[in-house]
Amino acid sequence: ETGVTQSPTHLIKTRGQQVTLRCSSQSGHNTVSWYQQALGQGPQFIFQYYREEENGRGNFPPRFSGLQFPNYSSELNVNALELDDSALYLCASSLWTSGSDTQYFGPGTRLTVL
Amino acid sequence: DQQVKQNSPSLSVQEGRISILNCDYTNSMFDYFLWYKKYPAEGPTFLISISSIKDKNEDGRFTVFLNKSAKHLSLHIVPSQPGDSAVYFCAASGQINAGNMLTFGGGTRLMVKP
Repeated sequence: ETGVTQSPTHLIKTRGQQVTLRCSSQSGHNTVSWYQQALGQGPQFIFQYYREEENGRGNFPPRFSGLQFPNYSSELNVNALELDDSALYLCASSLWTSGSDTQYFGPGTRLTVL
Repeated sequence: DQQVKQNSPSLSVQEGRISILNCDYTNSMFDYFLWYKKYPAEGPTFLISISSIKDKNEDGRFTVFLNKSAKHLSLHIVPSQPGDSAVYFCAASGQINAGNMLTFGGGTRLMVKP
């Protein structure tokens, strides 16, 4: 069974640029969620995708957008990067059944905005 | 408004003893609770979960207790091992918004001394 994978591992961008982060979900899973983890804090929910549609969104501005593909992999896009976007971005996959589903996390992408 | 709180930022325990990590929540709509362990430079690893219809769930050395009236859950690790040293996050989900987003606490750093 293949776990959740993310690419790239690390990324350095400058303010105002755009970035795309990628995630491959665990085999058999149909739902992908994205989280942002700032240093010293718990992960914060960005959004979730189910059947290629956004299925819930946290308190993040529209410049954070995403996609889910037919193979359940996903992308997180961030436009007009700001210094505060520097964080660990985590992708989690799950099998949507009742809503009380366990999410399994990838290793994360560390984004640094200069 | 922090809906899930871990009030102890760190905990130090001797090897072989019990580790007790605590978590409080405020939203009574949460109905599923999870504990994750996180090592540096890795994503969170799922440890154990509990549904709101239960008050205890056990898996090997790990036991989670849920007190719904107090809106409190705890993770017991017995016996503690040096390899358990990590940051532990509690998380909660429920039919609050679309999707089953996880709301995380701020984490507790556990140090198990040999």
